[in-house]
Amino acid sequence: ETAVFQTPNYHVTQVGNEVSFNCKQTLGHDTMYWYKQDSKKLLKIMFSYNNKQLIVNETVPRRFSPQSSDKAHLNLRIKSVEPEDSAVYLCASSSGLGGREQYFGPGTRLTVL
Amino acid sequence: AQSVTQPDARVTVSEGASLQLRCKYSYSGTPYLFWYVQYPRQGLQLLLKYYSGDPVVQGVNGFEAEFSKSNSSFHLRKASVHWSDSAVYFCVLRYQGGSAKLIFGEGTKLTVSS
Repeated sequence: ETAVFQTPNYHVTQVGNEVSFNCKQTLGHDTMYWYKQDSKKLLKIMFSYNNKQLIVNETVPRRFSPQSSDKAHLNLRIKSVEPEDSAVYLCASSSGLGGREQYFGPGTRLTVL
Repeated sequence: AQSVTQPDARVTVSEGASLQLRCKYSYSGTPYLFWYVQYPRQGLQLLLKYYSGDPVVQGVNGFEAEFSKSNSSFHLRKASVHWSDSAVYFCVLRYQGGSAKLIFGEGTKLTVSS
């Protein structure tokens, strides 16, 4: 049963365009994350948010910015996409900074032409 | 440095056969460990977790894993696989405390042949 929702499922765009991905969780968690999964299935954390405050920024390029309106939502904006941004972006949530397991959404697949 | 290694990138087993997927970790303390599964075109689903106590932990769909501190391992097992188990399996380490950062293994792609 999905409790972390992501939109869109897929997005195809041109180099230089701006894109925005949405994530919502209905688990009542207060910490949310964005991960990037490359073509080899390797996963790396990009951001985490706890109570609408950025906790970790894993030195991603400045064109990436997380946006949070409340603890149930964490969006990801890419200001000017590059070909190397093609990947699957996974959103996750957990209960507090001490929350042990994270629950993932289905992902958004981005293709940059 | 903390790390997770899954030495087998691809594993193929016959339906009904037993399965072991290997995972080795590097961490100075006792970590929290997880196995996640990713079916095609889907997100990650939690299979099982280890925090402390009994080194053998049970998960969903008949999966279990055994933690070994001496071997720094957390291998995943299943007695009899089904074709629907075909997926990518990730072994994951979490720091205790702090920012809840997860360290992912490279993943093992399991193919169950009929």
